[in-house]
Amino acid sequence: GAVVSQHPSRVICKSGTSVKIECRSLDFQATTMFWYRQFPKKSLMLMATSNEGSKATYEQGVEKDKFLINHASLTLSTLTVTSAHPEDSSFYICSARDLGLAGVVDTQYFGPGTRLTVL
Amino acid sequence: GDSVTQMEGPVTLSEEAFLTINCTYTATGYPSLFWYVQYPGEGLQLLLKATKADDKGSNKGFEATYRKETTSFHLEKGSVQVSDSAVYFCALSLSNDYKLSFGAGTTVTVRA
Repeated sequence: GAVVSQHPSRVICKSGTSVKIECRSLDFQATTMFWYRQFPKKSLMLMATSNEGSKATYEQGVEKDKFLINHASLTLSTLTVTSAHPEDSSFYICSARDLGLAGVVDTQYFGPGTRLTVL
Repeated sequence: GDSVTQMEGPVTLSEEAFLTINCTYTATGYPSLFWYVQYPGEGLQLLLKATKADDKGSNKGFEATYRKETTSFHLEKGSVQVSDSAVYFCALSLSNDYKLSFGAGTTVTVRA
């Protein structure tokens, strides 16, 4: 089946630094990827939609200057948390949309997530 | 706006018990409906899906039927196993944007 990887799986950084998280679709091309944030024992909150070759679309309340998204190729999207602070500590998850076969509803495949801890 | 409401739990069951997790939705159009499962320490995996009214999604012994009249997509399994212990998320997606809206998640623990 389709596989989505994320790197790194865990990262600890100091307050004020920037952290880049990569999301890759390993065996399919993804024109659209999504970035979510998951708080402990809570549901996933969609942060932004990443479209290959164009600017990301951010959900209401998400700071686009803080959470920079780049989708430079059909298999890679990156999320950069700029000037990270302890409140940015969270579990960040990406998903990639597999267009699938004609006539079959497309499916999103999720990465394993990245645990960010900001000290 | 579009939203999903599901039973929050936690739910604790004995092995071989019957499991039901309720999920209802509100949507302006005709959404596709999904159940995702998150096993401890792992990412979300698609469990099953249904794309139109009266469709039944099934996988690994789990089933859910898309009920337009009650706007529901309840998840059921007749006999759970310890390995079914996980967090289950109900979600919907409208075909025009493919963004997923998730319910709050239901933690299920199955005891041997």
